[in-house]
Amino acid sequence: KQEVTQIPAALSVPEGENLVLNCSFTDSAIYNLQWFRQDPGKGLTSLLLIQSSQREQTSGRLNASLDKSSGRSTLYIAASQPGDSATYLCAVRRALGNTDKLIFGTGTRLQVFP
Amino acid sequence: NAGVTQTPKFQVLKTGQSMTLQCAQDMNHNSMYWYRQDPGMGLRLIYYSASEGTTDKGEVPNGYNVSRLNKREFSLRLESAAPSQTSVYFCASTQRSLNSPLHFGNGTRLTVT
Repeated sequence: KQEVTQIPAALSVPEGENLVLNCSFTDSAIYNLQWFRQDPGKGLTSLLLIQSSQREQTSGRLNASLDKSSGRSTLYIAASQPGDSATYLCAVRRALGNTDKLIFGTGTRLQVFP
Repeated sequence: NAGVTQTPKFQVLKTGQSMTLQCAQDMNHNSMYWYRQDPGMGLRLIYYSASEGTTDKGEVPNGYNVSRLNKREFSLRLESAAPSQTSVYFCASTQRSLNSPLHFGNGTRLTVT
């Protein structure tokens, strides 16, 4: 059974720091891995999607890496800002019947203080 | 550009009452999903619909039914609500392409007393 774990569960950092969020998964038979952001009371917004054949993806100050063989992904946030405060979730996409599904981690709650 | 729209945003039910959560997407996506989010448990898949006219059970389907009314709309029904169904419910959609990202609605916060 696929399990997805995120460490740490919560993180509080001062503005300007570079930080790394971790995601690990137990089954490497995945199509891709997505990182999402969730603001309080809101839905999930897709940040980055890394295909199983890729090693990393970048968008602005965000960089996500994928090591499928070891079952790990990291989300690197450069020069953090208070506006980055949110919960970050990773999810792996794998086959399910005639379609596919995302299996989510429980998230890392990030607070960036001025 | 609405994306995925869920209604209602909030709902309080008494045990045994029924209700339907509505979801509509305007992105011409084939696949649609219903998730519930509970503290410490992440998002869990309730039901999904790979295409118009098909629905299948996910991880936690007990106590729920769904209808894929057309390509745009995918509703979730609670026939007899229980306190264990207190949760935040999210609808999501995506293209059939495996490397298309999921798009989520803003959720429905349901409390069953």
